[in-house]
Amino acid sequence: DAGVIQSPRHEVTEMGQEVTLRCKPISGHNSLFWYRQTMMRGLELLIYFNNNVPIDDSGMPEDRFSAKMPNASFSTLKIQPSEPRDSAVYFCASSIGQIQETQYFGPGTRLLVL
Amino acid sequence: AQSVTQLDSQVPVFEEAPVELRCNYSSSVSVYLFWYVQYPNQGLQLLLKYLSGSTLVKGINGFEAEFNKSQTSFHLRKPSVHISDTAEYFCAVRNYGGSQGNLIFGKGTKLSVKP
Repeated sequence: DAGVIQSPRHEVTEMGQEVTLRCKPISGHNSLFWYRQTMMRGLELLIYFNNNVPIDDSGMPEDRFSAKMPNASFSTLKIQPSEPRDSAVYFCASSIGQIQETQYFGPGTRLLVL
Repeated sequence: AQSVTQLDSQVPVFEEAPVELRCNYSSSVSVYLFWYVQYPNQGLQLLLKYLSGSTLVKGINGFEAEFNKSQTSFHLRKPSVHISDTAEYFCAVRNYGGSQGNLIFGKGTKLSVKP
């Protein structure tokens, strides 16, 4: 049974370029989360969707970040333009949708902005 | 506002020794509590969770945790660790009335098991 799938696993880009991270949640899960992990700030929630609708994007750092979920099996997190301080590991997670339910994490995308 | 404090950033321990990873939380309401583990270059994986009922919760890989409401703690324990337990461990909390997104993580504790 496939878990949460993220692509790419690694991304190296130059400052100012657009970066798109992709996530496929577990089939049947109706909540999807994007997190960012850095040494300084730990694990932070950026945005989460329920039934493809963004519910809380208060963690999105600034307008350079945007996220979409066009259908139940796909989501993107876009950074445009990217900056060196965006370098981090970005995780996608999904869950069935009740607040006590487990969130299942993907392997992450390690982003380096030069 | 909720917060989670993991008191130790790093815990070195010898193989087959017991270990306790500490977690304290603050919240003005009842909470759900979680422990996740992150192996190198992987995503987080749930170890165990406390929702209600018995305060002693058993999880995967021989780990257990005890919810102590009066001390607002949820410490993780294992009586005998293996080399393969080397990983980073995250405590997380969510309010009963919180939305799905309000899962607050601690900064993590790196467990290093030495032979």
